[in-house]
Amino acid sequence: AQSVTQLDSQVPVFEEAPVELRCNYSSSVSVYLFWYVQYPNQGLQLLLKYLSGSTLVKGINGFEAEFNKSQTSFHLRKPSVHISDTAEYFCAVSETGPGTYKYIFGTGTRLKVLA
Amino acid sequence: DAGVTQSPTHLIKTRGQQVTLRCSPKSGHDTVSWYQQALGQGPQFIFQYYEEEERQRGNFPDRFSGHQFPNYSSELNVNALLLGDSALYLCASSLETGGRDEQYFGPGTRLTVT
Repeated sequence: AQSVTQLDSQVPVFEEAPVELRCNYSSSVSVYLFWYVQYPNQGLQLLLKYLSGSTLVKGINGFEAEFNKSQTSFHLRKPSVHISDTAEYFCAVSETGPGTYKYIFGTGTRLKVLA
Repeated sequence: DAGVTQSPTHLIKTRGQQVTLRCSPKSGHDTVSWYQQALGQGPQFIFQYYEEEERQRGNFPDRFSGHQFPNYSSELNVNALLLGDSALYLCASSLETGGRDEQYFGPGTRLTVT
């Protein structure tokens, strides 16, 4: 069965500092990988996705993530964070095979950007 | 271009009651998925509808049922509500292209069961 682990439940970081949010997954088959952001009282917004090809994926708002198949990781990074990046971040996986459509989400990492 | 819309925004129900939540997909999308997000947790997949049929289901009891209409909108029904059903219910739509198109999420319906 698939699973997603986000080891850090909360990450505090000062404004303009770099940040990395960690995501590890477990699956016996190939997967697609996603990072979503959720602002308070809102739904989820896609930051970036890995389907195939280059393992370094660039997304919106200056975020990027790198797929590492050997370490089954998909960590999210931003070189310089802003106060407005304060939100909950979710990593998700989906199997690539036919007949599988669900996303499996991690428990989320709360990014708190400090002034 | 309207995104995914959900109604109502908030709902308060009593244990044992039944509830219906509604979702309109993003324009051009034909597939709707429902997720339950408990407080402090990630979303959990309930089921997905395509061509008016449920084509995949997560680990949720039969009390959770759904429907998709010809215009691709969808309803989630929950019977015999339990306190543990209190959560944010998210609807996501996508386009079934044979690939793995991203799912677009609505703002959710906050259900409180008392």
